[in-house]
Amino acid sequence: SQQGEEDPQALSIQEGENATMNCSYKTSINNLQWYRQNSGRGLVHLILIRSNEREKHSGRLRVTLDTSKKSSSLLITASRAADTASYFCATYLQGAQKLVFGQGTRLTINP
Amino acid sequence: GAGVSQSPRYKVAKRGQDVALRCDPISGHVSLFWYQQALGQGPEFLTYFQNEAQLDKSGLPSDRFFAERPEGSVSTLKIQRTQQEDSAVYLCASSLWGRGGYNEQFFGPGTRLTVL
Repeated sequence: SQQGEEDPQALSIQEGENATMNCSYKTSINNLQWYRQNSGRGLVHLILIRSNEREKHSGRLRVTLDTSKKSSSLLITASRAADTASYFCATYLQGAQKLVFGQGTRLTINP
Repeated sequence: GAGVSQSPRYKVAKRGQDVALRCDPISGHVSLFWYQQALGQGPEFLTYFQNEAQLDKSGLPSDRFFAERPEGSVSTLKIQRTQQEDSAVYLCASSLWGRGGYNEQFFGPGTRLTVL
């Protein structure tokens, strides 16, 4: 079974707009990560936020983490057509050696 | 340097056939993981190796699934008597270290298995 749930399941916006995706999870975590998956390609790691961090930036990406609500959000600013992909959050469980993924958000950027 | 590679990239099998999927991890990576990704879903953990030892196989869905990594490098995921519900993308990932905290997992492109 999967740990996280992403919201929304699908998102379609115009190029240049900001895209926000949310993720909720169930158990205690060491860290939470976001991945991107383009059609037919493997998973690419985007950003990792540790359980003691609240916000992290990387280029056009901004991730927040609220451990009290067991939720995270990924913001992509100034979206580009190349950002079209599925985005997954994944948690690394304390004591485990595996990633547990959410179901993903399918993001479409319209030119 | 070379990333994680998987072969074949696509596999079509008739129901009941056995299949073998190969993963070549990044050279020197201690840990290797297999994940199964159904259409429209996120990847789900299957099994984990540290060197040649299979430390966690809790995600394997049935005894038809078997994974090995005999020399602590290349790994093979074997599925016996394939069923239609086995159709999915099988992802392999490797990471540099074993236990002792999180280490980034690097994913291969996956093998798309279709069982007819």
